[in-house]
Amino acid sequence: SAVISQKPSRDICQRGTSLTIQCQVDSQVTMMFWYRQQPGQSLTLIATANQGSEATYESGFVIDKFPISRPNLTFSTLTVSNMSPEDSSIYLCSARYSGYSYNEQFFGPGTRLTVL
Amino acid sequence: SQQGEEDPQALSIQEGENATMNCSYKTSINNLQWYRQNSGRGLVHLILIRSNEREKHSGRLRVTLDTSKKSSSLLITASRAADTASYFCATDPLIQGAQKLVFGQGTRLTINP
Repeated sequence: SAVISQKPSRDICQRGTSLTIQCQVDSQVTMMFWYRQQPGQSLTLIATANQGSEATYESGFVIDKFPISRPNLTFSTLTVSNMSPEDSSIYLCSARYSGYSYNEQFFGPGTRLTVL
Repeated sequence: SQQGEEDPQALSIQEGENATMNCSYKTSINNLQWYRQNSGRGLVHLILIRSNEREKHSGRLRVTLDTSKKSSSLLITASRAADTASYFCATDPLIQGAQKLVFGQGTRLTINP
């Protein structure tokens, strides 16, 4: 299994500011993802972080609001830009290996963001 | 968009009883994965069951998959207070190149001592 860490674990931010969340995986994985979980809700995929190229965003999410980087196979960042209270959520990094034998997808501990 | 629907949305049982949660989905899948989430924390991976498998066990967990009915169930036997959490099913759709999990709404399980 992959061990995933995220920083920060939580933050309280002011409206209009930006926060960058870091995600580190302990081994080289093929795919990394960012999810959002709004209070009391299930998980929604924001984007797939592609190594060395632009992330692939899901409908309703745009690069200007959620820029993502993935400079290598084990590290990715998600920035939540120009925050509003509606961005208050748990943001989760996730990773999986590709290939038939390694389809499990693992999650980090999450970053709990509160925007005032 | 959410593919999975979980039922019940909330379940409350006594410690020692068995808990069963169900998940239904809409499209063909490569596999289905079950996760546990303790309040406000990350997801813990429980079991992955592939589309050609019908049942898997892990400790006190038993997962079944019925692809003809597009449904899965998670059974937790001899429940403990520490099993109190939200449980999510996630499907890996059989769409070439997708490799993106789609989550159900989750079941909130409460184990009463």
